[in-house]
Amino acid sequence: DSGVTQTPKHLITATGQRVTLRCSPRSGDLSVYWYQQSLDQGLQFLIQYYNGEERAKGNILERFSAQQFPDLHSELNLSSLELGDSALYFCASSHLAGGTQAAYEQYFGPGTRLTVT
Amino acid sequence: EDQVTQSPEALRLQEGESSSLNCSYTVSGLRGLFWYRQDPGKGPEFLFTLYSAGEEKEKERLKATLTKKESFLHITAPKPEDSATYLCAVHTIIQGAQKLVFGQGTRLTINP
Repeated sequence: DSGVTQTPKHLITATGQRVTLRCSPRSGDLSVYWYQQSLDQGLQFLIQYYNGEERAKGNILERFSAQQFPDLHSELNLSSLELGDSALYFCASSHLAGGTQAAYEQYFGPGTRLTVT
Repeated sequence: EDQVTQSPEALRLQEGESSSLNCSYTVSGLRGLFWYRQDPGKGPEFLFTLYSAGEEKEKERLKATLTKKESFLHITAPKPEDSATYLCAVHTIIQGAQKLVFGQGTRLTINP
C-alpha cells in the first residue's frame, strides 16, 4: 500500500459526459501528479500540482482540468468524454516540488479505470 | 525529442533463470533514471533511482545499473512472484518543466 488513495476504482460513463476523479496524497506529500495509461500510449504525464498551485503540464487535453485543494487532495475533471479517453488514470504523490532529484520518487495510487461507452 | 525505449517488450523465463531488461534513453539532460514495477490493474511501485553513470542499486533479486545511454535491470534467480511489468522513467526538463518520461515497459513472466 503506497498511502495514495484514489476514488472511484471504476467508472463507466457515456460519450459527452463529465466525470471527476479524486486523489488523496500520502500524508505529508505536497506534490500530486496525474497520469493516463492506455494500452497504446503507455504511462503519460498529464499535470502536476504542488501545494495548491499548478507546477508542470504534460500532454493534458483542454477538455481536462485539475486542481489541488487546501487539504492537498486533488481532483481531475474530464469533460466532453470521447471513446479514446477510456484508460487507467493514476495519481502519484511526492514530498518535494520537483526542483531536486528526490522529488521524482513518486508513489502511485491504485488508479481509476475509466470506460467511456 | 526525449525518448525512453525498453526492450524486450515481453520476456518469459523459467524460475531461477537470470536475465536482464534494458532501458535506453535519449534526453537533453538526465537528472535521474527510475525503475518501477507494475502489477496488472495496479499502480506502479517505486523500485530504484539512479543518478549517475556507474551507479548501481540492489533490492532482493533485482539490481539496476546505469551507463550514459542506458540502464539495465538485472534479475537473478527469479521467482514467479517477480512476474510484473517493469517500467523505466527518466527525469528530464521539457519546455522548462521538470517531468518524468516513461518507457512502454517490459512484461516479465516467470514460470514455475
